[in-house]
Amino acid sequence: GAGVSQSPSNKVTEKGKDVELRCDPISGHTALYWYRQRLGQGLEFLIYFQGNSAPDKSGLPSDRFSAERTGESVSTLTIQRTQQEDSAVYLCASSLASWTGKLFFGSGTQLSVL
Amino acid sequence: KNEVEQSPQNLTAQEEEFITINCSYSVGISALHWLQQHPGGGIVSLFMLSSGKKKHGRLIATINIQEKHSSLHITASHPRDSAVYICAVLMDTDKLIFGTGTRLQVFP
Repeated sequence: GAGVSQSPSNKVTEKGKDVELRCDPISGHTALYWYRQRLGQGLEFLIYFQGNSAPDKSGLPSDRFSAERTGESVSTLTIQRTQQEDSAVYLCASSLASWTGKLFFGSGTQLSVL
Repeated sequence: KNEVEQSPQNLTAQEEEFITINCSYSVGISALHWLQQHPGGGIVSLFMLSSGKKKHGRLIATINIQEKHSSLHITASHPRDSAVYICAVLMDTDKLIFGTGTRLQVFP
């Protein structure tokens, strides 16, 4: 596709349910980042994938959060047993490689946990 | 203390003013990004710098690796420049850390 695609664009869920968010990076981009942005706050790093290397999970806020990426394709971010504080916009970005080129951002998934 | 600090947090300007936004960081980096986030949330990458200076239209970004400082300048500012400008540093470990952003409002 022409850009980074995220789905769904909006997700409303009940506290305690699991959710899965998807990111389709730009074809050929080896680097993929997940972030979140809570209302009125800055961007918070969650996890980073670079090619087939082990991902940097240092930003994941708890063990309820996990992410997968197969090769250099789609990534999914899973939040188990969602809590109200998980409500945020979850953003994905990709680049050709982490050390080169601009970042391209998806439009995000607005997650609301009731 | 945040590893990436931006100043000012908020900035108001009149159209045509020259604007400077600053970013200081305390970690070793391999590159620095300047990002623009418009109301409604869309984020656009403006520059990626590892040294020196880059220019695109009315935007200029500079970085001083020794001083661990970068600046984003906007010449002849315009109301459509109103947005949040975010500095993000790419650490040597490839982790990307964001500043808290500078909210710019340019009035006609």
